[in-house]
Amino acid sequence: DQQVKQNSPSLSVQEGRISILNCDYTNSMFDYFLWYKKYPAEGPTFLISISSIKDKNEDGRFTVFLNKSAKHLSLHIVPSQPGDSAVYFCAASGVETSGSRLTFGEGTQLTVNP
Amino acid sequence: GAGVSQSPSNKVTEKGKDVELRCDPISGHTALYWYRQSLGQGLEFLIYFQGNSAPDKSGLPSDRFSAERTGGSVSTLTIQRTQQEDSAVYLCASSEPWGETQYFGPGTRLTVL
Repeated sequence: DQQVKQNSPSLSVQEGRISILNCDYTNSMFDYFLWYKKYPAEGPTFLISISSIKDKNEDGRFTVFLNKSAKHLSLHIVPSQPGDSAVYFCAASGVETSGSRLTFGEGTQLTVNP
Repeated sequence: GAGVSQSPSNKVTEKGKDVELRCDPISGHTALYWYRQSLGQGLEFLIYFQGNSAPDKSGLPSDRFSAERTGGSVSTLTIQRTQQEDSAVYLCASSEPWGETQYFGPGTRLTVL
């Protein structure tokens, strides 16, 4: 049972344009959501997070939007840069889950072309 | 400051052998997690330690897997009688007490021949 899904395995955008990565979840007990970026042969790097009491969180070029009714979140990167090329994972945790154990999506490979 | 460190970075072993993977969390982080990422898959939760509480082992795939955390700091993940399906990248993460954000180490790539 995949509780967090990233339906797009890959996304390609031009440098300077907007990248939009999407994530859907099924567990209504999730109340905290995170995005991680992963380069090959490295561990995931925390990017940005959002609590379920908010619908938007912004940090520089990165904005995460949360639509609780649709159980959907998205990560916007504006403007996209070639160095943003990586695998992006969304993750979720909730009060019902052990501690803050994270449930991850399958990841989306973002490629930003110069 | 220093991040989460893991050793070894790569481990190649023969089927049936035991392996130990080590994780050094960020200093002061009382919560420690192990995950694994198999080829083409997302990250899968394995086990969680919080301070001196009993660990949550609900994600361990079989009784061949075990983990310890000594002195509330360093953790060792042990896989006994390794199988080829154990091949994966094993990732360790730590967080502040009851913190929501987990910080990951670089991982150990395990290959079982």
